[in-house]
Amino acid sequence: AQKITQTQPGMFVQEKEAVTLDCTYDTSDQSYGLFWYKQPSSGEMIFLIYQGSYDEQNATEGRYSLNFQKARKSANLVISASQLGDSAMYFCAMNKETSGSRLTFGEGTQLTVNP
Amino acid sequence: SQTIHQWPATLVQPVGSPLSLECTVEGTSNPNLYWYRQAAGRGLQLLFYSVGIGQISSEVPQNLSASRPQDRQFILSSKKLLLSDSGFYLCAWRLGQGSPLHFGNGTRLTVT
Repeated sequence: AQKITQTQPGMFVQEKEAVTLDCTYDTSDQSYGLFWYKQPSSGEMIFLIYQGSYDEQNATEGRYSLNFQKARKSANLVISASQLGDSAMYFCAMNKETSGSRLTFGEGTQLTVNP
Repeated sequence: SQTIHQWPATLVQPVGSPLSLECTVEGTSNPNLYWYRQAAGRGLQLLFYSVGIGQISSEVPQNLSASRPQDRQFILSSKKLLLSDSGFYLCAWRLGQGSPLHFGNGTRLTVT
């Protein structure tokens, strides 16, 4: 079974600063994928970034980067130059890389960006 | 481009009434389809997923059922709603390995 742990229920950051949201995972699978999603107060789930377990380089998408440490089983999200619009719930998720496999989500971190 | 439609956006239903939530995907073929539920302030719990027409996998025993009558249509149903069925229901699709889940806008269900 797979498990995702997000230990920070809430985080605060000043506008324009960087912030790291923690995510650790537990799996016995050799091949898996790691995802981060953003959920604003409107409720929609927005895909941010993906990292495959065999990817040697950390994934980056604009201001988002994923700090992947395979030995530690962590996949932290780094948001650079925070903006007020980044205030939202952030979810880490993982899946086994097989057809039809489903994503397991963590409990989320509520990020608040202060002006 | 691919789009996912989920309706209704909000729903208030009395205990014991039936439920039908519909989700359709456009612009792709043979997607994997998923129903998730989210309690207030919590993470997402997978309810059902489907890899093809008529193929439904259930993750947790519950008062709900799902059906996939067409390739890009996924329906979540209940014969008799319980108070505990209240929550935010999200439909999603993905194409397979290495691809992300793409979510609909969700249905906020309140059972009274």
